[in-house]
Amino acid sequence: AQSVTQPDIHITVSEGASLELRCNYSYGATPYLFWYVQSPGQGLQLLLKYFSGDTLVQGIKGFEAEFKRSQSSFNLRKPSVHWSDAAEYFCAVVYGATNKLIFGTGTLLAVQP
Amino acid sequence: DAGVTQSPTHLIKTRGQQVTLRCSPKSGHDTVSWYQQALGQGPQFIFQYYEEEERQRGNFPDRFSGHQFPNYSSELNVNALLLGDSALYLCASSTGHANEQFFGPGTRLTVL
Repeated sequence: AQSVTQPDIHITVSEGASLELRCNYSYGATPYLFWYVQSPGQGLQLLLKYFSGDTLVQGIKGFEAEFKRSQSSFNLRKPSVHWSDAAEYFCAVVYGATNKLIFGTGTLLAVQP
Repeated sequence: DAGVTQSPTHLIKTRGQQVTLRCSPKSGHDTVSWYQQALGQGPQFIFQYYEEEERQRGNFPDRFSGHQFPNYSSELNVNALLLGDSALYLCASSTGHANEQFFGPGTRLTVL
């Protein structure tokens, strides 16, 4: 079945430290890949997306992600985390023409002062 | 632009009741998708509406139904509520295929 795996349920980093959140997707036709962020009690905000072309994509709030087809991965990175980045992060994929987002279970990010 | 709006914000129902949730898409968007997010989980796709027709459906029972109106707004109806239907229900709007989906703030449904 088509699925998305986020192996880290909870991550804690110190403010100013670098961050990498992992995402793996199951093999399928032409994946379109997304990272969303959700603050407590809020809806989802799109951080970045990959449809085609350059495998390193830049998003909002200083985030970037790299698509690696050989590893079926789309990891999210940020060089220096701010306290306001504390939230839950979801990786999602759309396969082919389905236009249906399949989400991972999320990674909850805590930021220590 | 108000973005995607949903109503109500919170709702409490009892088992067996019926509920209707509402969504207004972002201006210029013609496609509305609904997702269920249980506590501690990622959102799960319920269905998607385009041109007032259900275009796709996820693995949800027929108790979940929807509607899209000519102005592209949408409703999600759930009949015979179960305790397990307690969740955050998210509406997302988009236009075209695989474009960015913009999410509303959600409706928190609690079934007692």
